[in-house]
Amino acid sequence: KQEVTQIPAALSVPEGENLVLNCSFTDSAIYNLQWFRQDPGKGLTSLLLIQSSQREQTSGRLNASLDKSSGRSTLYIAASQPGDSATYLCAGGVEYGNKLVFGAGTILRVKS
Amino acid sequence: NAGVTQTPKFQVLKTGQSMTLQCAQDMNHNSMYWYRQDPGMGLRLIYYSASEGTTDKGEVPNGYNVSRLNKREFSLRLESAAPSQTSVYFCASRPPGLGDKTQYFGPGTRLLVL
Repeated sequence: KQEVTQIPAALSVPEGENLVLNCSFTDSAIYNLQWFRQDPGKGLTSLLLIQSSQREQTSGRLNASLDKSSGRSTLYIAASQPGDSATYLCAGGVEYGNKLVFGAGTILRVKS
Repeated sequence: NAGVTQTPKFQVLKTGQSMTLQCAQDMNHNSMYWYRQDPGMGLRLIYYSASEGTTDKGEVPNGYNVSRLNKREFSLRLESAAPSQTSVYFCASRPPGLGDKTQYFGPGTRLLVL
């Protein structure tokens, strides 16, 4: 059974700092690895999707990497801003239908 | 294009009551999902539907039933609500076709079972 773990559970940084969020998974048989953002009381918004054959994806100040052999993914946020404050969730796509197995999330607070 | 919509936004039930959570998408997606999110835990898949008329159990299906009567709508029913079903419920859909595609999530339904 796939299990996804995210470290740290919470992170508080000053504005402008570069930061890394970590995600680990137990079974390398994933179709893809996805990162989502969740604002308080809201649904999830997709940030990046890395296919199993890829090593990384970039979107603006965000860069996500995937290492299937070690069961790890990282989300790098450059030059953080207060608007980046949210919960970040990683999820592995598994089985037929790309069902997602989620980590518990990292709560990020960027202080101005 | 409203994306994925869910009703109601918030509901309070008493133990043993029943209710149906509604989900609809206007993006012509085939696949639809129901997840629940509990404090300190990631989202967990309740049920999945690959297309109209087909459903598949996820990780935590006990106590729930689903219905996919058409391509747009995927409903989740609690026949006899229990306090353990207090949670935030999210519906999602995914575009058709080959290749990896992300899921689009609704705003969620917050359910409190007393």
